[in-house]
Amino acid sequence: EVQLVESGGGLVQPGGSLRLSCAVSGFTFSSYWMSWVRQAPGKGLEWVANIKQDGSEKYYVDSVKGRFTISRDNAKNSLYLQMNSLRAEDTAVYYCARGGGRPARFQHWGQGTLVTVSS
Amino acid sequence: DIQMTQSPSSLSASVGDRVTITCQASQDIRNYLNWYQQKPGKAPKLLIYGASNLETGVPSRFSGSGSGTDFTFTISSLQPEDIATYYCQQYDNLPYTFGQGTKLEIK
Repeated sequence: EVQLVESGGGLVQPGGSLRLSCAVSGFTFSSYWMSWVRQAPGKGLEWVANIKQDGSEKYYVDSVKGRFTISRDNAKNSLYLQMNSLRAEDTAVYYCARGGGRPARFQHWGQGTLVTVSS
Repeated sequence: DIQMTQSPSSLSASVGDRVTITCQASQDIRNYLNWYQQKPGKAPKLLIYGASNLETGVPSRFSGSGSGTDFTFTISSLQPEDIATYYCQQYDNLPYTFGQGTKLEIK
């Protein structure tokens, strides 16, 4: 069974940092692009970043470029999102998802982890 | 960025009804479009990929069509468990973008 489990969310002050993790099982992690997708409270879905199987390619939505870094550890079957200089508008549930290369269909999702940026 | 516009934003229908949602892209995205279903408090679920291909395990009452800029998602006979918000998503260009969602309710 494919499983993706996010962790690391929480309350952080504006300007602060947080590192999200996504532990996966049930498939060969190193064979897939992976992505982060977020959803602000009561709002729609927003793709945030993706990373190639070997980590050699990474792409970001403009609003997080220079602040967020996506990474992966294929030996640990884990995906990460380092979030720095957090803003109120980064408040959202963050999902990790399998997929993000071509074709970029997100076939499997985690349950999400809530990040709240507030003073 | 490619803008994805869904219509309607909300929809109320009866069990057994045929339901149609449209998604329009701001530029040609060929058939690089997916549809997702999201139930309250849950992660999205992929239903349709490549505009018209049914994801494994998804009931055949769900279907998709279209190419270029105009796409349609259809539920042939609405079931109570289909109550959810539906999103289209393009993957022709980065950043991948989603429609704003269509909230489907039972009448």
